[in-house]
This record gives sequence, structure tokens and C-alpha cells, in this order.
Amino acid sequence: DTEVTQTPKHLVMGMTNKKSLKCEQHMGHRAMYWYKQKAKKPPELMFVYSYEKLSINESVPSRFSPECPNSSLLNLHLHALQPEDSALYLCASSPSSAGNTIYFGEGSWLTVV
Amino acid sequence: AQSVTQLDSHVSVSEGTPVLLRCNYSSSYSPSLFWYVQHPNKGLQLLLKYTSAATLVKGINGFEAEFKKSETSFHLTKPSAHMSDAAEYFCVVSTYSGGGADGLTFGKGTHLIIQP
Repeated sequence: DTEVTQTPKHLVMGMTNKKSLKCEQHMGHRAMYWYKQKAKKPPELMFVYSYEKLSINESVPSRFSPECPNSSLLNLHLHALQPEDSALYLCASSPSSAGNTIYFGEGSWLTVV
Repeated sequence: AQSVTQLDSHVSVSEGTPVLLRCNYSSSYSPSLFWYVQHPNKGLQLLLKYTSAATLVKGINGFEAEFKKSETSFHLTKPSAHMSDAAEYFCVVSTYSGGGADGLTFGKGTHLIIQP
């Protein structure tokens, strides 16, 4: 089973709200990722966690705050977002960060109003 | 440095006819190559991957791809298109043996349209 589960599937939030996106995998993978995808574009890497430690931050604004509570869970905390942050946020995982296929979740559709 | 070029932004075929989605890559190292499919309003699903074993790779749903080092290509094919194949397809290259995200480069995507 190569399943990465993301919640919620859809989220609408105001620019002053605080919300979180959640991601879970039970494949024993030790690397987890957040990607952002705008319409008709390929996914863009935001963050990589390897063995529960943040290993890559692709110059993402601080209004996006990742958290990896344990090896199965990955959160993305959202605060003071802008309308241009509206996108599909994809979580992914792989056995390790270097040298393995990554598996994507279904994504969370975020709309900032 | 690595890069991926998907040669067609849109491909339209009739149901039951062959599908060809073209991908060229550039990599300083021995690459790992992947094709992912994204159906409307869905996440990305792995179709197949090449990691320096057989050059002809078979994937899910009848898709296959051939790695040609001399042409730096990794084209995706399917003998007979089905309506359910309509989706966005991404060619992806990694400089690592399997594809860690820190070495992952996406192509711009090819939108596959299936005509009834």
C-alpha cells in the first residue's frame, strides 16, 4: 500500500486566519515533503523532512510553518496567507530523502479569501 | 545541472489509438526517470520509473517507457488509449538512484486529451 493521506481536502480561509494542513503515511517512510501546485503548473518543492528533521526549505515565506511531530505525520501551519497562496498543497513521502521514489497524496485545495 | 523538456504541452488522440508523450532530459549523472499522472482535481500517481535496470519499463494501466541514453529521451507510450487516460502527465528526472526530492526536477507537463 502506497498511501499518503491528506486532510482536509478543501480549505477556505481568510487572510487573518490560522489553519493547518495534515498529512499521514504508514509506510515506514522516513522522508516527507510539502509541494505547492498552481493550476496548470508542475508541483514546486516547499519543504523536505528527513528523519523528522527539516532538511530543505526552499525559501518559503514564514507564513507557512511546517511541523513533523513523528515519522508518520507532517503538518503545514498556515497564518496570514495571501490570496496568491491559493493552490493545491501536496504532501509526499519516500523511504528516505536521497534515492527513492516519492509517493504523493491527493492534496489539499486551499483558497485564501 | 539537470532539466526535463516535455516536447508537447497538449496531445490529442482518438480512443483506441496509440499514445506517445515525449520527454527529453539533461543530467550530469546517471539519472533516475519517472512518469507521474495527475487526473483532474487529484494528486500525482506514479506510472513508472527507470532506475538503470531494463531500458524498457512497464508501468500501470498499460503504459510503458523506453530509456534511450543516446537520445537522452524517456518517451511514454500506450498501444491503445482509453477515455480514462485523459489527464496531465509529468516527466520527472532525479540525479539519485531512486528519486529523492532534493534532486527532483519536473517537466512542465503534457495534457492528454482523448477524443471519443
